[in-house]
Amino acid sequence: DVKVTQSSRYLVKRTGEKVFLECVQDMDHENMFWYRQDPGLGLRLIYFSYDVKMKEKGDIPEGYSVSREKKERFSLILESASTNQTSMYLCASSSLGQGSNQPQHFGDGTRLSIL
Amino acid sequence: ELKVEQNPLFLSMQEGKNYTIYCNYSTTSDRLYWYRQDPGKSLESLFVLLSNGAVKQEGRLMASLDTKARLSTLHITAAVHDLSATYFCAVTRGGTSYGKLTFGQGTILTVHP
Repeated sequence: DVKVTQSSRYLVKRTGEKVFLECVQDMDHENMFWYRQDPGLGLRLIYFSYDVKMKEKGDIPEGYSVSREKKERFSLILESASTNQTSMYLCASSSLGQGSNQPQHFGDGTRLSIL
Repeated sequence: ELKVEQNPLFLSMQEGKNYTIYCNYSTTSDRLYWYRQDPGKSLESLFVLLSNGAVKQEGRLMASLDTKARLSTLHITAAVHDLSATYFCAVTRGGTSYGKLTFGQGTILTVHP
């Protein structure tokens, strides 16, 4: 069974802090994704990575960066947290998109509050 | 730009009734997914639909895909309380998209006794 593990379920930080959200997957997937989920907006893609050290911006990358030093680990970084980044953050992984019909597998999410 | 819209966004049903959730998307896509999310939990994959006319069923849920109309439906038969959850559809983006998905807003389903 695919396991995507996010390091924290709940996190409270202060405005201006640098925040790290960690995600680890155990299925040797090439692709990893970070989304934020807000009521009425569904899931919006922040960044994704298709290989170690490779990354691409998603739809809402402003204020975020990512790091993928190892295949199984994908980190989301809030460079200087702001209150409008209070949200639920979901990490996902999948095998290569081309020719793969497998769904993305999601972690349990991190509910982040910025005070 | 690919847009995905679900309808309705909120659905309150009585147990035993049938209903359908609709998912429209704006540009050609080769795969459509349905996910379920329970409160405070992660997203669980329900169905993957790959081709026009595809139909998949699991228990009281049946999903179908019409690629010409760019429409997928999730039909609920004889609803039970355990089906209460938020349901998302998601569509792959074209080209070398590495499986990137665009999600609908989600439909919050509540099933009442």
